[in-house]
Amino acid sequence: DAGVIQSPRHEVTEMGQEVTLRCKPISGHDYLFWYRQTMMRGLELLIYFNNNVPIDDSGMPEDRFSAKMPNASFSTLKIQPSEPRDSAVYFCASSLGTGGAEYGYTFGSGTRLTVV
Amino acid sequence: RKEVEQDPGPFNVPEGATVAFNCTYSNSASQSFFWYRQDCRKEPKLLMSVYSSGNEDGRFTAQLNRASQYISLLIRDSKLSDSATYLCVVNIADDKIIFGKGTRLHILP
Repeated sequence: DAGVIQSPRHEVTEMGQEVTLRCKPISGHDYLFWYRQTMMRGLELLIYFNNNVPIDDSGMPEDRFSAKMPNASFSTLKIQPSEPRDSAVYFCASSLGTGGAEYGYTFGSGTRLTVV
Repeated sequence: RKEVEQDPGPFNVPEGATVAFNCTYSNSASQSFFWYRQDCRKEPKLLMSVYSSGNEDGRFTAQLNRASQYISLLIRDSKLSDSATYLCVVNIADDKIIFGKGTRLHILP
């Protein structure tokens, strides 16, 4: 299995532009998570899906952020318009379960976003 | 009290030494605990789960202290390759986990 695949690896964009991050989870995993990591705040859960349905988006910072999962093998996180404070590493992770027990999460390599 | 708290370090430890660090959590109802490892500019990876009875995986030992609400990770005979950030992970509800900010470990040659 190729693992969780994210694209792009790096993104540099100007403030105000739309940014779309992409994720392909591990086949068979029914949970997908989007995290954001910064030095100050660590890893923050933005949103997660179960069987393609958004379950908890309480971590999404504001209306500029949106996420979709049109099918079991693809998800996007969109920021529109982007702001410099959105600069961070965005991770996608997938799992056979949520927070519990022996499953654990498999993370993608992340997208390093810089908004200038 | 923060939901999950870790000493950020860095812990600078000579190769071959034993090092241990703790992670405290605030939710007494938490049931699942994990340690993840994150190398510089890489993604977090599951290191080990933490069971009530404690568990060991080679040089790594994880323990849970429910009374004092902390988990610990002990690394014996540390290697240069153990240098990383170690993230404590605690579930705070049925479907929600929280990552600590991590403890940085540097193994010195």
